[in-house]
Amino acid sequence: GNSVTQMEGPVTLSEEAFLTINCTYTATGYPSLFWYVQYPGEGLQLLLKATKADDKGSNKGFEATYRKETTSFHLEKGSVQVSDSAVYFCALGTASKLTFGTGTRLQVTL
Amino acid sequence: DVKVTQSSRYLVKRTGEKVFLECVQDMDHENMFWYRQDPGLGLRLIYFSYDVKMKEKGDIPEGYSVSREKKERFSLILESASTNQTSMYLCASSPRVTANTEAFFGQGTRLTVV
Repeated sequence: GNSVTQMEGPVTLSEEAFLTINCTYTATGYPSLFWYVQYPGEGLQLLLKATKADDKGSNKGFEATYRKETTSFHLEKGSVQVSDSAVYFCALGTASKLTFGTGTRLQVTL
Repeated sequence: DVKVTQSSRYLVKRTGEKVFLECVQDMDHENMFWYRQDPGLGLRLIYFSYDVKMKEKGDIPEGYSVSREKKERFSLILESASTNQTSMYLCASSPRVTANTEAFFGQGTRLTVV
């Protein structure tokens, strides 16, 4: 079956540090890949997505590249802000549903 | 602005009670989903529905049922609540599914069963 593996959190960074959150997946067929973000007290919202191999999704300074050869979709940001503190979920989408990773909590401090 | 609304942010229920969690979307989406979110486990799919009166089991349907009598409304039912069903419940909706379809989430209902 389909599955998504994310790095364990929490990740604690100082403001303006570089962020990488690793995500790898197992899937049959050709899934789409997503990053969702959950701010405190809120539901999930889409951060970015990529629909085929070598696509790069980007939004709000975050980016991730769909790497079929390594089955990965790592999230990166060059300079994090305190307001980026949240839980980040990697997910893969097939024709019928989304499968989520366990989430990675990011804490950014001044 | 798209919206998925869950009827309660917080609920406290007693063991053995029948519990209804309600979700309404205003986007005319065909698909609706119920997930539960637990620390270290991420989001796990309980049930989903791709049309009125249609439902499909997700990964953890035991102890739950669902109802979709109208397109905009999807209800999750705990037939006899137990303490291991204490969790955050998230409802989501999406248009008719293709692999790259975005899902829209409600704010969640934190259910405590005592």
